Amino acid sequence: AQSVSQHNHHVILSEAASLELGCNYSYGGTVNLFWYVQYPGQHLQLLLKYFSGDPLVKGIKGFEAEFIKSKFSFNLRKPSVQWSDTAEYFCAAQGGGYQKVTFGTGTKLQVIP
Amino acid sequence: GAVVSQHPSRVICKSGTSVKIECRSLDFQATTMFWYRQFPKQSLMLMATSNEGSKATYEQGVEKDKFLINHASLTLSTLTVTSAHPEDSSFYICSASRQREGAEQYFGPGTRLTVT
Repeated sequence: AQSVSQHNHHVILSEAASLELGCNYSYGGTVNLFWYVQYPGQHLQLLLKYFSGDPLVKGIKGFEAEFIKSKFSFNLRKPSVQWSDTAEYFCAAQGGGYQKVTFGTGTKLQVIP
Repeated sequence: GAVVSQHPSRVICKSGTSVKIECRSLDFQATTMFWYRQFPKQSLMLMATSNEGSKATYEQGVEKDKFLINHASLTLSTLTVTSAHPEDSSFYICSASRQREGAEQYFGPGTRLTVT
């Protein structure tokens, strides 16, 4: 069965610290990968996506993610977090050619000023 | 662009009644709309996928007679929770996609349903 796992449920960082959130997926065949963010009181927004091509994907607000096929991973990174990055982050995967997107359980990031 | 709205944002209803939630794509035509349910401290669980003009495809374990989905136009999908019970209380989120396959989904703000 298709699944997405996020290793960290709650991460607390100080401002300017570097961030890496883990995401692993279990899919056969081609896969589309996403990171979504949900700021407090707001709806889900797309941070970045990978469909094909360069495995290092740059998204909005300085975030990037690297698709490592051999590790079935799509970790999210940011070199220096800000207080405004406090939010919940969801990794998601979609089998190529299919509509259904499977979400991970989410990681709550708290950035301390 | 690519804004999705939901109405209502919050609804409280009595057990046994039905509740309709609307999902609209405001500035684009949504070929496909998705309905998710989010439990506290859990991820989004896909309930069903609906393509305009077709019957919705429900995920395993989701009762299609209880959660009625209608996608009558390219900008509107509705989810009706029939004969609601307290265990149906949850956060319901819709998303919309411009294409049938491999496309980004744009999410609505969600609807908090409380059944008393």
